[in-house]
Amino acid sequence: AQSVTQLGSHVSVSEGALVLLRCNYSSSVPPYLFWYVQYPNQGLQLLLKYTTGATLVKGINGFEAEFKKSETSFHLTKPSAHMSDAAEYFCAVSGGYNKLIFGAGTRLAVHP
Amino acid sequence: EPEVTQTPSHQVTQMGQEVILRCVPISNHLYFYWYRQILGQKVEFLVSFYNNEISEKSEIFDDQFSVERPDGSNFTLKIRSTKLEDSAMYFCASSEYGMGNYGYTFGSGTRLTVV
Repeated sequence: AQSVTQLGSHVSVSEGALVLLRCNYSSSVPPYLFWYVQYPNQGLQLLLKYTTGATLVKGINGFEAEFKKSETSFHLTKPSAHMSDAAEYFCAVSGGYNKLIFGAGTRLAVHP
Repeated sequence: EPEVTQTPSHQVTQMGQEVILRCVPISNHLYFYWYRQILGQKVEFLVSFYNNEISEKSEIFDDQFSVERPDGSNFTLKIRSTKLEDSAMYFCASSEYGMGNYGYTFGSGTRLTVV
């Protein structure tokens, strides 16, 4: 069975600092991995995804993530945080053909 | 950019009442899903739907839940007799080929409050 662990329910960074949100997965088959962002009172927006091929994937808003099979990780990074990045971020793994398994989420706070 | 539309955005209902949450998936998508997120908790899979039938459902999706595609554009989630613990944000999603390669497009959600 697939599962996702997001380390750190809350992360706080200064504006302009590096953002690193951690995600580890468990999967018995080659995983498809996703990061979604949820702004307050809004739905889930796809940031980026890894399916096959290049292990470093770039997404919207300057975010990127690297699939590391040996570490079963898919951490999300952004070189320089912006105030507008404050949101909740969810890592997810494909749980089979028909569903996503989500992590518990990481709330990112960005302070001046 | 095509969107998944959910209505209403917020619904308050009394315990024991039936509610229907509505979704309009992206027009050329063939796979439809419902997820829910209880306040402060993770997003949980409820059900997937393809070719006019349920293809997978979770343990949460018990007999009080049902889904339907009543016409060519709408996809609904019915909760027959609501309980307090059904209070959550319900997300509809759709995908063109099944989520494996493409992920889903999610709607903005319906916040259901059961009182």
